[in-house]
Amino acid sequence: DAGVIQSPRHEVTEMGQEVTLRCKPISGHDYLFWYRQTMMRGLELLIYFNNNVPIDDSGMPEDRFSAKMPNASFSTLKIQPSEPRDSAVYFCASSSLGGATEAFFGQGTRLTVV
Amino acid sequence: SQQGEEDPQALSIQEGENATMNCSYKTSINNLQWYRQNSGRGLVHLILIRSNEREKHSGRLRVTLDTSKKSSSLLITASRAADTASYFCATFPQGGSEKLVFGKGTKLTVNP
Repeated sequence: DAGVIQSPRHEVTEMGQEVTLRCKPISGHDYLFWYRQTMMRGLELLIYFNNNVPIDDSGMPEDRFSAKMPNASFSTLKIQPSEPRDSAVYFCASSSLGGATEAFFGQGTRLTVV
Repeated sequence: SQQGEEDPQALSIQEGENATMNCSYKTSINNLQWYRQNSGRGLVHLILIRSNEREKHSGRLRVTLDTSKKSSSLLITASRAADTASYFCATFPQGGSEKLVFGKGTKLTVNP
């Protein structure tokens, strides 16, 4: 397996634009996590899915953020409209048994909102 | 809020020395995990220790867990320049949620 695949690796967008981040988890993993990493706040969990169903979205900062998992092999994180404070590295991770087993991270998407 | 808090925030040592990083957490856990992140890359899992375990080894890594003190330590022996990275502890809290909660990490620099 190629591991968790995220796209794009880098995204620069203007304030107010819509941004869509994409993730392909490892095949067979039932859990998918979206994290955001900044210098100030560290690694924050935004939302996680189990068997394509959102379980906990309490970390999603605002209604501008939304995430979907239409099938077991694809998830998106959308920000609409984007703001400069959304600039961060966004990671997707997957695991077979949630927190009970190791999580495999993608390479991340570095988002810059100008 | 962050569950795990690593200490120190930054550590600089010479190649060949041992590096020790500590993690403290607040609530009861099912397991604690350590991850490494090289600059500009994703996190990579290093080791998982369950709440009923006290010590675990993997190559040059040694992890201890003290649930009474709610703390863990990661020891890297005979460090190498390639060990330069940020190290994070992550806790899997008891209570039903399946999420891992990460600390802010220790930035380790190993000087050749």
